[in-house]
Amino acid sequence: NAGVIQTPRHKVTGKGQEATLWCEPISGHSAVFWYRQTIVQGLEFLTYFRNQAPIDDSGMPKERFSAQMPNQSHSTLKIQSTQPQDSAVYLCASSHRDRANERLFFGHGTKLSVL
Amino acid sequence: QQKVQQSPESLTVSEGAMASLNCTFSDGTSDNFRWYRQHSGKGLEMLVSIFSDGEKEEGRFTAHLNRASLHVSLHIREPQPSDSAVYLCAVNSGYNKLTFGKGTVLLVSP
Repeated sequence: NAGVIQTPRHKVTGKGQEATLWCEPISGHSAVFWYRQTIVQGLEFLTYFRNQAPIDDSGMPKERFSAQMPNQSHSTLKIQSTQPQDSAVYLCASSHRDRANERLFFGHGTKLSVL
Repeated sequence: QQKVQQSPESLTVSEGAMASLNCTFSDGTSDNFRWYRQHSGKGLEMLVSIFSDGEKEEGRFTAHLNRASLHVSLHIREPQPSDSAVYLCAVNSGYNKLTFGKGTVLLVSP
């Protein structure tokens, strides 16, 4: 079990460019989450999928951010027209089910730097 | 909306001395409360998950939950320099949607 795999580990983009972050959840896990970590805001929930369906995107910025889960083996977080304030570590996590007693496994994150 | 605050912001303890970290939250009806730690440049490691008022021990880590006081604490017994990390308190809204505190930086000196 390789755990939650996120690629790339580091991504540098220029202001205005698009960034796509990839996540491979643990096989068999039905719940996939995206979080963002910054020095100022700390760790914040962005969105989550259950059985590939979007369930709660209440933490997603209203513009430029989108997340998909086209199949059970990967999810993507896309940021259009990146801005310097989007610089953060984006963490993907998965759990077997979306229950409070389920252990949540985090990936190592993708560090996005917008110049 | 759940608010989570941690104190102190940073803490230095000597190797072997007990380390105590605090976390207050705004909504005591949340399903469960967790402590994670994050070593510099590394991923999140869950230490303890507690559902009911009282105490939950996992090895050298013990969490105390008091919903009425909106407070959960973490005590680290016999800390080692390798325990130096950022410790994060998280409140679970019910389906693994977590609200995190800003963290406590723990430094364990030899």
